[in-house]
Amino acid sequence: GAVVSQHPSRVICKSGTSVKIECRSLDFQATTMFWYRQFPKQSLMLMATSNEGSKATYEQGVEKDKFLINHASLTLSTLTVTSAHPEDSSFYICSASLGGGPYFGAGTRLSVL
Amino acid sequence: QKEVEQNSGPLSVPEGAIASLNCTYSDRGSQSFFWYRQYSGKSPELIMSIYSNGDKEDGRFTAQLNKASQYVSLLIRDSQPSDSATYLCAVKFRTSYDKVIFGPGTSLSVIP
Repeated sequence: GAVVSQHPSRVICKSGTSVKIECRSLDFQATTMFWYRQFPKQSLMLMATSNEGSKATYEQGVEKDKFLINHASLTLSTLTVTSAHPEDSSFYICSASLGGGPYFGAGTRLSVL
Repeated sequence: QKEVEQNSGPLSVPEGAIASLNCTYSDRGSQSFFWYRQYSGKSPELIMSIYSNGDKEDGRFTAQLNKASQYVSLLIRDSQPSDSATYLCAVKFRTSYDKVIFGPGTSLSVIP
């Protein structure tokens, strides 16, 4: 069964609104979670590392004021896309590690009109 | 130099054949390597992990790792149409948070 839960699976919103995406580790504690973005026919691009109890670490070129990450507990990380614009439309996926390799949530497809 | 590279494909193989997927990486100190399968519109699914030089077999899948050459591969034996997907190579880089970087993916089509 799934070890990482992500919600919502799909969001359609108007330009200028903010969207929050939740990522939960199921039955295990994840001090670190990762957020990725994937554009059509491209690979996963790491956006940021979410750290429980401290600030997220953002990859080069990712606007931290636009993509707000909060890792408030050992099982929950949230990504908020602030003032979303059509170019933010993408597939957002979170991951957490349970030993070995990271497991992914089901992803959130964001469409900004 | 890109951090993780894969042959871009698309790769087409007939049903029952062996599909060979290749990946190279830039961080010589990396210790953990993963292969994921991703169907269109879905999130990646972990199919293999490998940490030591040599081969690791799991059913029809064999991962091969050569750290000296910074090379990792995936062989799929007896390929099935259901194996048609994009295969992503991923490498855990040495950072304080062990971030995982993905290659661009190789699209595989298994022709019945």
